[in-house]
Parts: sequence; structure tokens; C-alpha cells
Amino acid sequence: SQTIHQWPATLVQPVGSPLSLECTVEGTSNPNLYWYRQAAGRGLQLLFYSVGIGQISSEVPQNLSASRPQDRQFILSSKKLLLSDSGFYLCAWSTGVGNTEAFFGQGTRLTVV
Amino acid sequence: GDSVTQMEGPVTLSEEAFLTINCTYTATGYPSLFWYVQYPGEGLQLLLKATKADDKGSNKGFEATYRKETTSFHLEKGSVQVSDSAVYFCALSDNTGFQKLVFGTGTRLLVSP
Repeated sequence: SQTIHQWPATLVQPVGSPLSLECTVEGTSNPNLYWYRQAAGRGLQLLFYSVGIGQISSEVPQNLSASRPQDRQFILSSKKLLLSDSGFYLCAWSTGVGNTEAFFGQGTRLTVV
Repeated sequence: GDSVTQMEGPVTLSEEAFLTINCTYTATGYPSLFWYVQYPGEGLQLLLKATKADDKGSNKGFEATYRKETTSFHLEKGSVQVSDSAVYFCALSDNTGFQKLVFGTGTRLLVSP
């Protein structure tokens, strides 16, 4: 069966520090991968998605970037965090075929102080 | 662009009460519709889905029917339990093959014994 791992679960970082969140998927190949963010009191917003290694699409302009160095690995990064980057970050995957749903990781709670 | 509108929360109910959480959408084309649930401190889990008009998704006693004429996908449950307390998200996928999800803002459900 397929599983998705996301870490760390919680993170407190000072303003201006770098960020790296990692997500890996097991049990499937060539998945679509996604990073969503849930800001306090708001819904989920798609940040990035990827349909293959090295292929990244950004949905909103921001202080973050994403990379996909391997088929089942998706990384969210920032060179310098802002207070507004605080939120709950969720990685997800889907098969990319038909009307299938996305499957989510457990999320990372990021607090920028 | 596509959008999803959910009723504001929190929704507070007593155990065994009837639940309705309203969801309407705006989309071009024929989206797939989803309800996801988020328990405290966790990621999102798919609750149910519907991929075409008049489809009814159901799971764990929850139901929702894809109504194209009213562009709605309301979530219902006949008798809620304390364990149903969570945040519920309505979402649509544009079926472009990228399965990018557009989420509503979420509705918090609180069920008391």
C-alpha cells in the first residue's frame, strides 16, 4: 500500500532563517506531488505541484520554493523565512490519472518567531 | 477561477443530532467534488467523493450528493458522534489531469455528549 511521510511534525524557526521540509511517498511511482499551506483561520492553498522529477509549478508568488530531486521526494524550502510563512504545511500525492483523490501527509506546523 | 464556499463554523451539536454542512462551488467544466476531514493535529483524510452529477458519495454514515443544477455538495449525517468532532473541508478538482484541489475554508464541527 502507498504511504506518505512528512517531517518534521513541528518546527519553530526565527525570522530570516532557512527552511527545508521533506516529503516522501512509498508504494507508487511517478506520482503527482503537492505542497499546500493552511494559514491560521483560513482554508488550504495550493503552493506547488509537480508531475515529474525536476518539474515544479508554482501557484502563488511567495517566499518559498520547491524541488523534486527524486521521483517520490518533494522538498519545500526557503532561504529566509518571514513571519507570514507561519502555518500548517501539508504534502500530498495523487496518481495523476482520472478523477482520483489526493492523499495527504500528517503535516508540519511551522511557527516563525 | 474555480472556488468553493462553505458555511461558517463552528457547528455545535449534541450527540445523535442531524448534521448538515453546506458547500457550493463555482467551476468551469465538470469538476470532481470531495469532502476531507481533519482531526486535531493531523493531516487531511478523504471522507467521500463524487465525480459526476447526481453521484452520491458516502462513508462512515456521511453522505453528499453532487448537485449540478444548484452547484452544491452538502455534507450530511443522520446521527453524529463525539468522535466526529473535526474540521471538514469541501474541495473540487478540475480534472485537468493535475488534480489540483481547490478547498473551502473548512467548517469546524463540535459534538458534545
